Parts: sequence; structure tokens; C-alpha cells
Amino acid sequence: SSELTQDPGVSVALGQTVRISCQGDNLRSNYASWYQHKPGQAPLLVIYGKNNRPSGIPDRFSGSTSGNTASLTITGAQAEDEADYYCNSRDISGYHYVFGTGTKVIVL
Amino acid sequence: QVQLQESGPGLVKPSETLSLTCTVSGGDVSTDYWSWIRQPPGKGLEWIGNMYFRGRTNYNPSLKSRVTLSVDTSKNVFSLRLNSVTAADTAVYYCTRDNGGSLQNWFDPWGQGTLVTVSS
Repeated sequence: SSELTQDPGVSVALGQTVRISCQGDNLRSNYASWYQHKPGQAPLLVIYGKNNRPSGIPDRFSGSTSGNTASLTITGAQAEDEADYYCNSRDISGYHYVFGTGTKVIVL
Repeated sequence: QVQLQESGPGLVKPSETLSLTCTVSGGDVSTDYWSWIRQPPGKGLEWIGNMYFRGRTNYNPSLKSRVTLSVDTSKNVFSLRLNSVTAADTAVYYCTRDNGGSLQNWFDPWGQGTLVTVSS
């Protein structure tokens, strides 16, 4: 299967750590990229590759992969981190992309 | 710094063709892969397809029969055409640059997005 499955939602207390997972067979051969998406804004790349952050993304965002699961970790979540988060990767064919189902992160 | 801007009609009638253009500034449309992505109201992100200026294209299998991507290097733009639209094609459409290689890929930067509504 080329689907990427994410938990629908998760809540985290301000300043605490939250991990968002993304499961899919295609992750065994391709790294995931992660996007933060807030209402009315364009998605924002936060992690790509093994664990790379674009310029301007705080170091509280980190990524990892184990087997068929990619994870995005926010260490010390801030109020502004409240958003939908999507993973993305190539599908099994390698020619197409697929997005995860998305995880809504609520910061309490 | 590359910036992208989508443009096109915000309202399309059912069964007609949706046409959008993405203007690339601060970069060269002939040097990278470029993708279109959409988000229907209340739903998640969906990759539509990508293209390279030499005509190499890849389409989401679920949309392949209705989608055409093209590039105009003289205007530094790339375009999306989606024919036979229905209400299910109502979405915010984004253009983005497709970066990376065989093991890792990422979309950055993104256009601000444009809402296209399919309605009579």
C-alpha cells in the first residue's frame, strides 16, 4: 500500500513534548517530509530528509524514521505550533507522491 | 528567494475545465520540478502531479485522466488544467517546487493558494 496513516489528533501541554507518527510501507525506501498547515495559510515545510530543518524552522522540531514509521517531534511545544501536520513521501512506484491523513495538534 | 503565485478563475462550472497558472519569481521554471497540490474544504492535502520543463510529467493516478500540466519558459510560469470538473474538485489549489532526489523529496516554497469553487 502507498497510503500514509497518521493519528487524527493529539493534544500537548504548553512546553511539553509531542510526537506525531506517519506509517506507510513506502517509508521503508523514502524519507518523509513534514508540513505545518494553519488555516488560511500555505503549508510550511518543517522537516525533510533524515532530519533536516529549513532555515527559520525552530530546533524544537525534529524528525526520525524507524522501519515503516516516520515521526515528527516537537520538543517544548509553543502556542504557535497549534496546527495540522502532514507527512508526505513518494509512493511505492516512486513516481508519485502521497500525503498522510493529517494530525491536528492542539496546544493546551 | 523563489516566490510562487497562483492565478486563475475562482469559479468554474461543472463539466468545464479548471485552468490555473503559477508564476515563478526569483527563480527559473526550467531548472526544477514543479508540483500542484490541492486541499478540498475540510479535507487533507492531495498531490495532483508534477512536471519538469522538458515535458516529463507525473500525475496522481486518481486524476490522471483529467489532468494536464505544462510549462511556459518564456513567461516563467507553469500551469494546471483539470477537465470535466465536479463539485468534488472544489479546493484550494497550491503550486510548489519539488525538491530532492530518489530518497528524499520535499515541497518548498509554496504559493499562497487559490480557492477554486465548482458550481453552476
